[in-house]
Amino acid sequence: EVQLVQSGAEVKKPGESLKISCKGSGYSFASYWIGWVRQMPGKGLEWMGIIYPGDSDTRYSPSFQGQVAISADKSISTAYLQWSSLQASDTAMYYCARLRHYDSGAYFGDYWGQGTLVTVSS
Amino acid sequence: EIVLTQSPGTLSLSPGERATLTCRASQSVSSSYLAWYQQKPGQAPRLLIYGASSRATGISDRFSGSGSGTDFTLTISRLEPEDFAVYYCQQYGRSPGTFGQGTKVEIK
Repeated sequence: EVQLVQSGAEVKKPGESLKISCKGSGYSFASYWIGWVRQMPGKGLEWMGIIYPGDSDTRYSPSFQGQVAISADKSISTAYLQWSSLQASDTAMYYCARLRHYDSGAYFGDYWGQGTLVTVSS
Repeated sequence: EIVLTQSPGTLSLSPGERATLTCRASQSVSSSYLAWYQQKPGQAPRLLIYGASSRATGISDRFSGSGSGTDFTLTISRLEPEDFAVYYCQQYGRSPGTFGQGTKVEIK
């Protein structure tokens, strides 16, 4: 059974750093792209970026380039989303998803993690 | 960037009724690269449909997708209590993939 298990909820102060994780199981983790999605409170879904754990090829959506860092460690089947300096506007639910990725660059999420709630407040 | 507009914003129906949700793209979506997701309160999105009309693994045949070009439809043939949720479309024909704003299907 394909599963993506994310790390737990976080409460941080503005300016702090944070790294959240997404551990895959039940499939060949290195062979599928992983994507990260932001959902702000009461809002819709936004792709942030994607990574191929096999070679760590990473691509960011324009709105998130330079704002976050995505990485992966295939040896432990885990992908990460990281902030160096959080802002209140980063308060949101963050989901990871295993992607069906096409050579054209197109992708969608076929299995999703349960989400990690990040709250940034002074 | 391709903008997806979903309608209606909210659909109020009774169990057993048919639900028709629409997703309109600002430009043609190549190869019908259009997916639909269901999201229940406090849960992650779940893939229902990809390629505009292919059901994902384990998805009931009450859910069906259709359309091409700029106009796509998700139909739920007979609403069950567990179908009341928010539904999102997503195009993946052009990077970055973009989502619609969602349609909430609520109990009338």
